[in-house]
Amino acid sequence: DIQMTQTPSTLSASVGDRVTITCRASQTISNWLAWYQQKPGKAPELLIFRASTLESGVPSRFRGSGSGTDFTLTISNLQPDDFATYYCQQYISFSPFTFGPGTRLEIK
Amino acid sequence: AQLQQSGPGLVKPSQTLSLTCVISGDSVSSNGAFWNWIRQSPSRGLEWLGRTYYRSRWYNDYAPSMRDRLTVKADISKNLFSLHLNSVTPEDTAVYYCARELHMATTDAFDLWGQGTTVIVSS
Repeated sequence: DIQMTQTPSTLSASVGDRVTITCRASQTISNWLAWYQQKPGKAPELLIFRASTLESGVPSRFRGSGSGTDFTLTISNLQPDDFATYYCQQYISFSPFTFGPGTRLEIK
Repeated sequence: AQLQQSGPGLVKPSQTLSLTCVISGDSVSSNGAFWNWIRQSPSRGLEWLGRTYYRSRWYNDYAPSMRDRLTVKADISKNLFSLHLNSVTPEDTAVYYCARELHMATTDAFDLWGQGTTVIVSS
């Protein structure tokens, strides 16, 4: 299995801040990486696919970058609605698809 | 498009867990989509379980850890797909999600999710 790690596990920030979440794959996945946002009691929602392409309707303050094994999700000008848990996921290999453990973004 | 899940919230150990995911606004036999089951628990996080898809015939892929116990099936007449997990144990307690997977220029990965079903395995 391709293992996905994320740092930090928890991040405290204020409205208006810029934050960065890092995701690392245990082997190269090219740009086959997605980022999801999940709020309590809800299903994850796709934010970014192919490492850097924003899903339709996602605000431009979200930015993804990286390729190979190292990826980042940057959120600029944090809004109250952005406080949630973020997951990365590799989809180069379906045997199996794997997710990171998540980064909880909380209000400072 | 929407995915609407249904199924029991409580299953006894050793029994079979069955969940359904009804598709609206798309087709289970769509030649471009994959139909997946994913679960989430505090101990395992988000875990991909398996999928079904149609490309002139039906195919399935399963996570290696699920291959012996999981069946994912499609029902064209009802436009849904289902999960059947046998010999469940308390370790199978989780929130189960169905999800659509597309690979297009305009979207990719798991772009559409069901609302989730909390399943508890307990006697």
